[in-house]
Amino acid sequence: GQQVMQIPQYQHVQEGEDFTTYCNSSTTLSNIQWYKQRPGGHPVFLIQLVKSGEVKKQKRLTFQFGEAKKNSSLHITATQTTDVGTYFCAGAGSGGSNYKLTFGKGTLLTVNP
Amino acid sequence: ETGVTQTPRHLVMGMTNKKSLKCEQHLGHNAMYWYKQSAKKPLELMFVYSLEERVENNSVPSRFSPECPNSSHLFLHLHTLQPEDSALYLCASSQQFLAETSYEQYFGPGTRLTVT
Repeated sequence: GQQVMQIPQYQHVQEGEDFTTYCNSSTTLSNIQWYKQRPGGHPVFLIQLVKSGEVKKQKRLTFQFGEAKKNSSLHITATQTTDVGTYFCAGAGSGGSNYKLTFGKGTLLTVNP
Repeated sequence: ETGVTQTPRHLVMGMTNKKSLKCEQHLGHNAMYWYKQSAKKPLELMFVYSLEERVENNSVPSRFSPECPNSSHLFLHLHTLQPEDSALYLCASSQQFLAETSYEQYFGPGTRLTVT
């Protein structure tokens, strides 16, 4: 079945440093979503990427979808303490069960003020 | 955020008990989902409902029994659970459901379940 690998598992940065998490799928995706889960909280939708090579920005966050639609990344510029949390990618398959999201294990980001 | 609510927030139950988890969405969405979140494992999709019709049962053991009486409410009935079923159970909803694509999902706060 479809697998989504996410690295790194943990990342600790000093406030102001940049952060990147990577997501790789074993199969081609129809789209990919990103979620953020604060400690003790629940996943909150950030963005959805659909097109090959797509790049979207939300303030300090930049999301990319690979040309082959098998990988994606989230980059945060100049991290702040409010960025703390676990970032999950979730890939939607292609060919029949596109509604089903396969989540990565997530990257836990901690920020030292 | 109060778009999706879940009760109870915490539940401790013995292996012979029967309990139910409740989810309610106030967003006017047509699709609802149950997920299981265990430590060090990815979020696992359990069930999907579209307009009260179950469209996905992701190989979930029969000791978990979902119910969707209307598009705003979703239940997860639990009986004779095992300790490994201890996890955070998350409910989510999306605006609509189409097999050909995925929509952004709005999650509830979850029920932290402990099976003793």
